[in-house]
Amino acid sequence: DARVTQTPRHKVTEMGQEVTMRCQPILGHNTVFWYRQTMMQGLELLAYFRNRAPLDDSGMPKDRFSAEMPDATLATLKIQPSEPRDSAVYFCASGYRGRTGELFFGEGSRLTVL
Amino acid sequence: AQKITQTQPGMFVQEKEAVTLDCTYDTSDQSYGLFWYKQPSSGEMIFLIYQGSYDEQNATEGRYSLNFQKARKSANLVISASQLGDSAMYFCAIASNFGNEKLTFGTGTRLTIIP
Repeated sequence: DARVTQTPRHKVTEMGQEVTMRCQPILGHNTVFWYRQTMMQGLELLAYFRNRAPLDDSGMPKDRFSAEMPDATLATLKIQPSEPRDSAVYFCASGYRGRTGELFFGEGSRLTVL
Repeated sequence: AQKITQTQPGMFVQEKEAVTLDCTYDTSDQSYGLFWYKQPSSGEMIFLIYQGSYDEQNATEGRYSLNFQKARKSANLVISASQLGDSAMYFCAIASNFGNEKLTFGTGTRLTIIP
């Protein structure tokens, strides 16, 4: 079964540390999304890419967050420095533009910043 | 801007009964897609069903169907013959360009199936 793979699944870190989350989209998918889920805010879009080019990162705090796609098989989300308010589940999802229907989500990376 | 409204924070339904989860949307787009996702307690987001704005027939996927009423801007999810494994959070979402652009999610409905 094709699936979106995210690492790490869980991360506990201290405030001020750098955190990098990785995502391997489904092979052949050309659109990758990063979402964050918290109890207070629900599911929020942080950034998304099409054919590795960023289309929208308006949901991302630019001073500490950065998202990249170094190649078609890897998307990264970096937080530096991390803060307790960044504690959340971060989801990566991929899909193929031009084909209507489902967007596949990874299992998420649960981040806790102490 | 697009918006999804899910007015039912929680629902309790007897096993084997049908259940309808409400979703209304707001968009100025003509071409859009509507999605439903299930999130069990394990946390993953599972795609359930999709409806394009020009689809004349309601989408169906097994026990799931989407009751699409375009004039009312509603896209309710119907689960027939509910099962204990249907207990989860359910999210409605909308995206422009028949779903090819970013999804905007609602706040979700927590469904609990009672044996």
